[in-house]
Amino acid sequence: EAQVTQNPRYLITVTGKKLTVTCSQNMNHEYMSWYRQDPGLGLRQIYYSMNVEVTDKGDVPEGYKVSRKEKRNFPLILESPSPNQTSLYFCASSHRDGTDTQYFGPGTRLTVL
Amino acid sequence: GDSVTQMEGPVTLSEEAFLTINCTYTATGYPSLFWYVQYPGEGLQLLLKATKADDKGSNKGFEATYRKETTSFHLEKGSVQVSDSAVYFCALSDRKGNLIFGKGTKLSVKP
Repeated sequence: EAQVTQNPRYLITVTGKKLTVTCSQNMNHEYMSWYRQDPGLGLRQIYYSMNVEVTDKGDVPEGYKVSRKEKRNFPLILESPSPNQTSLYFCASSHRDGTDTQYFGPGTRLTVL
Repeated sequence: GDSVTQMEGPVTLSEEAFLTINCTYTATGYPSLFWYVQYPGEGLQLLLKATKADDKGSNKGFEATYRKETTSFHLEKGSVQVSDSAVYFCALSDRKGNLIFGKGTKLSVKP
């Protein structure tokens, strides 16, 4: 089954404790992206990747890092989380770029205390 | 910069009512336009899209027409069902090929 998986689905952590949210897709897509969803703000792009070893900042990259060492995986790293990073995070992938149909993961709800 | 504005929600309708969710955009060039839907507890999924002026996207009874002259892409459905209750996002693709989303409109359909 074609899908985007994210782990963990729920995470409660404390300020400053490094964490990684994993994202994996099994569709051989070149394009992957991370978004955060906040009430009243919709979805905002954090980082995206056009292919292996090619990443770029989205609209809200501060406080986040990403890597794309393999085509299928695109982890999101918060090296020193802060309470303003409490949010619902979505990973998405598509064949070429955002103009193709994007397939979204189920989301990761992160709470930073 | 590019942006998308969609009507504020929530929108509450009775089953079989007509639905319109307004969406307008600001963009340089000629972006592709999208409607994504998010059902409770799930990620987003593509509902429909249009890639050029006057194109009509349609899926599951929903329709939207790309209107360049009014920079709009309004979502319509003739008869909504309870199962259509969800959050609907209008989006455009910018020049880098990334999506820019509106803030979302929550639709609740009552039996």
